[in-house]
Formats: sequence, structure tokens, C-alpha cells
Amino acid sequence: DVKVTQSSRYLVKRTGEKVFLECVQDMDHENMFWYRQDPGLGLRLIYFSYDVKMKEKGDIPEGYSVSREKKERFSLILESASTNQTSMYLCASSLIGTHTGELFFGEGSRLTVL
Amino acid sequence: AQSVSQHNHHVILSEAASLELGCNYSYGGTVNLFWYVQYPGQHLQLLLKYFSGDPLVKGIKGFEAEFIKSKFSFNLRKPSVQWSDTAEYFCAVNAPGSYIPTFGRGTSLIVHP
Repeated sequence: DVKVTQSSRYLVKRTGEKVFLECVQDMDHENMFWYRQDPGLGLRLIYFSYDVKMKEKGDIPEGYSVSREKKERFSLILESASTNQTSMYLCASSLIGTHTGELFFGEGSRLTVL
Repeated sequence: AQSVSQHNHHVILSEAASLELGCNYSYGGTVNLFWYVQYPGQHLQLLLKYFSGDPLVKGIKGFEAEFIKSKFSFNLRKPSVQWSDTAEYFCAVNAPGSYIPTFGRGTSLIVHP
């Protein structure tokens, strides 16, 4: 089974702090994604990466950056956390291939910014 | 704008009732379609998917979905729900040529025992 592991399930940070969310997948997937999940808004794509050191902005990249130095690891960075970034953050991965698009998700990181 | 619409945001049913959750999308061409489920406290997982072939797709736990191309729809169904089906359900669509799914806003399903 594919395993996507997010390093922190729950975080509480203060406004202005730098926040790192780490994600590791163990199935050699090319694609990795960061979403945020908010009630009534569903999943919104922040950034995605289709290869090491490659990244593309999603629908809501403002206030976020990402890093992918190794194929299995994709990090989300909040340079200066704000209260409107309080949310559930989901990492996902997928294969490139005939049946693309099926995502495998981590358990999520619930971030509260005070 | 291209989008995925889930019409029901909150659904409350009693056990053994039938379920149908609507999903419509606005992309033309060939799409890949998915339903994901998130049980309380758990990660999102795939319920079923459609890429091609038989438009009636069967997934895990007795769920099925029907792709109707002319209606741009991919509705999720289950003949008889159980309390354990209480969860949030998300429809997702890959636009033609894309491997990045766009998600609907989700439907929260509560099943009373």
C-alpha cells in the first residue's frame, strides 16, 4: 500500500512565525501535491510538483512556498503565518501513467495560527 | 470557469435508506472522474474511479457511480446506507490532458442508526 506521511498532525503557531509542513511518500510517485481543506470550500490546490526541484502554483499559492529536493519529500512553507492560514493541510501523491489522477493522501496537518 | 459542482452539501439519512449524491462538471472532452471519502478522523481515500469503458462503476463498500456524458454527471449511489457510511464525500475531475484533479466542495453525510 502507498503510504503518505505528514510529519505533524497538529500544530499551533503564532502570527508571523515560519512554519514547515513535511510530507514523505514511499511509492516512488512522480507527482506530489499540497491542498488545504476548509469547511464548505472543499480541497483547494496550493502547489504541486511533478519532479524533483520542479514546482507549479495551484489555485491559492499566495503566502506559501514549497520545496522538493528529493523525489519522496515535498515540503510546504509558510514564510510568515497569518490567522487566515489556519486550516487542515493535506499532502497527496500520484503516479504519471495511463491512469493518472488518482491521489493518495496523507492524514493531514491541522494548523492553528494564533 | 471550469468547475466541479456537488449539489448536496449536507445529507442526513436513516440506516437502510438509499443514497444518491450529485456531481456535475463543466469540462468538455475526455475526463477522468473520482469519488473520494473521508471518514471521521481518517485520511481521504479513493471510493471509485472512472477512466473509460462501462459507465457504471462499482467501488468499495457497496458504492457505485454512473457516468452520464450527455449530462456531464457522475453521481454516487448506494442502495442501503449504514451508520458507518457517515463521512464526507468529494467528487473530483481531471480535465482533459491533466493529471491534476479539481475537487467539488464536498458533501457531508450523516447516517442515523
